[in-house]
Amino acid sequence: NAGVMQNPRHLVRRRGQEARLRCSPMKGHSHVYWYRQLPEEGLKFMVYLQKENIIDESGMPKERFSAEFPKEGPSILRIQQVVRGDSAAYFCASSPRGRFRDTGELFFGEGSRLTVL
Amino acid sequence: DAKTTQPPSMDCAEGRAANLPCNHSTISGNEYVYWYRQIHSQGPQYIIHGLKNNETNEMASLIITEDRKSSTLILPHATLRDTAVYYCIVNAGNMLTFGGGTRLMVKP
Repeated sequence: NAGVMQNPRHLVRRRGQEARLRCSPMKGHSHVYWYRQLPEEGLKFMVYLQKENIIDESGMPKERFSAEFPKEGPSILRIQQVVRGDSAAYFCASSPRGRFRDTGELFFGEGSRLTVL
Repeated sequence: DAKTTQPPSMDCAEGRAANLPCNHSTISGNEYVYWYRQIHSQGPQYIIHGLKNNETNEMASLIITEDRKSSTLILPHATLRDTAVYYCIVNAGNMLTFGGGTRLMVKP
């Protein structure tokens, strides 16, 4: 049973370009969470999605960032017109249900590291 | 979410027990205590969670005080591979908010 798959693992973009990060949750998981970790900082929640729905986007920057989790295919975190401050590791996590108190687990991927030149 | 307080760093000798404390004095009745760790720059890894009873699994033990205002994660025999940042999170189970955590350094 494959874990949470994120790609690309490393992405380099120049300022003003677009970055697309993909996350395939574990099989049977319909809830996806995106976190961002700036260098030498902790993980910050960005957005929580269920299939075809954004449940909580309170951590998403108001501009340039968007996320989706379509009925088919991976979840996508899209960053338009990237700036140097977007350089960070972006982690995706999945769970089989929104309230994971029964198992306690969010399953995290290994992250996508975005570098903006 | 209830706020948690953890020491920023701790050292532990290899083979000894590592006891990582966490204060969560504002925890509410339906909130669980979760522990995760992040080794170097990898994705966070679930360790254990509990509501009010002590819990044990193959990785660690979780001791929660009777008033639930604090807890301790115990790694019974720390190895060098346990060097990581350990996060204590209190939540009702619908989203995790990571704080600064405790950077545990296991030394030979």
